[in-house]
Amino acid sequence: QKEVEQDPGPLSVPEGAIVSLNCTYSNSAFQYFMWYRQYSRKGPELLMYTYSSGNKEDGRFTAQVDKSSKYISLFIRDSQPSDSATYLCAMSTGNTGKLIFGQGTTLQVKP
Amino acid sequence: GAVVSQHPSRVICKSGTSVKIECRSLDFQATTMFWYRQFPKQSLMLMATSNEGSKATYEQGVEKDKFLINHASLTLSTLTVTSAHPEDSSFYICSAPVRDFPYEQYFGPGTRLTVT
Repeated sequence: QKEVEQDPGPLSVPEGAIVSLNCTYSNSAFQYFMWYRQYSRKGPELLMYTYSSGNKEDGRFTAQVDKSSKYISLFIRDSQPSDSATYLCAMSTGNTGKLIFGQGTTLQVKP
Repeated sequence: GAVVSQHPSRVICKSGTSVKIECRSLDFQATTMFWYRQFPKQSLMLMATSNEGSKATYEQGVEKDKFLINHASLTLSTLTVTSAHPEDSSFYICSAPVRDFPYEQYFGPGTRLTVT
């Protein structure tokens, strides 16, 4: 079993839809949870990070962490074609900086 | 956000040769940098942690004699793929954490290595 599981998709939605992306994990020691966006043939771009459980909102993006269920989510409201990319969740146990990534979910937002 | 650069962006080399990839933090200092490898449609796999002024720490299964890492300064880490083989062809990406926030990392644009 992988430490972090993420459905690779692809996920296709119409423009304006609400997108829900999810990851599950097995290591209860994870404390920091990140979401990255990666365009084709580019490096990942940090979208949001959250410490421990709870919600965090930034513009059209909302990150949720449920440590009791070992489940994290990223919601994208009013999705745009420019949101089409691969979204990677990543997790860390603490101050080492080592990140464990999910496989990434490919999202396509159709005009 | 912070900026990390990589050079070259693409490289093609012949089997048996060595290739050096540079990773630079442009507007901040990084005592630690990370090197990842990514296969098509797959996730990033951490290869090693590069430490300024000391030896790199390699993940299990990564050959340290094949993937040489040098963290020469607070803004530069290099990855040298020695005696490259076609199976080393991959997308190599480095990252650097913002000091005091090690989980907040910024990634370089990646280097596409093709070994013929």
